[in-house]
Amino acid sequence: DAGVTQSPTHLIKTRGQQVTLRCSPISGHKSVSWYQQVLGQGPQFIFQYYEKEERGRGNFPDRFSARQFPNYSSELNVNALLLGDSALYLCASSLYPLGGSNEKLFFGSGTQLSVL
Amino acid sequence: EDKVVQSPLSLVVHEGDTVTLNCSYEVTNFRSLLWYKQEKKAPTFLFMLTSSGIEKKSGRLSSILDKKELFSILNITATQTGDSAIYLCAVGVDSSYKLIFGSGTRLLVRP
Repeated sequence: DAGVTQSPTHLIKTRGQQVTLRCSPISGHKSVSWYQQVLGQGPQFIFQYYEKEERGRGNFPDRFSARQFPNYSSELNVNALLLGDSALYLCASSLYPLGGSNEKLFFGSGTQLSVL
Repeated sequence: EDKVVQSPLSLVVHEGDTVTLNCSYEVTNFRSLLWYKQEKKAPTFLFMLTSSGIEKKSGRLSSILDKKELFSILNITATQTGDSAIYLCAVGVDSSYKLIFGSGTRLLVRP
């Protein structure tokens, strides 16, 4: 079975532009989470979606938005890009939202975003 | 504010050495602690420890959780070059859908 797939793998944008990142979860997984990983730091939570509904949001500005589709795939959108948005954006899937024994997230290989 | 701190930040050892990676946490309503290995991009799951499972072992890797002192350690014995990676510690908290990650420990195993 395919793991979590993300596209594109790399992206270069300029300040002020908008970007859309895509994620397909593991087959059968209904929850998708997005994390931002800046170089030298651990991943930081952005969003979690389950059954197309937002279940959690991290401390990120409104320039960040996401959605989940009926097939459980997800998009992360970032508007008005800033230099500080340069990071590895990781998508993770799980069968259900985090909680209890279901804490294991399966991560994709990420999208490396560079903002110039 | 919830916080997860890992030490050391980086570590260089030779093949065959044993290493111990540390993770301490200060969170409200602790639920679980997880270890991930990040070799290139995708973090891969190693262990999850909760109140009901405070010690886990898989091959040369093992981990313990001390809920009283609020820390966990990840041990790797007889290290191999393939163990070179960033090791991430993450904590899950009640009433939250997120994992709180530490900054990671970068391990380099030299031949």
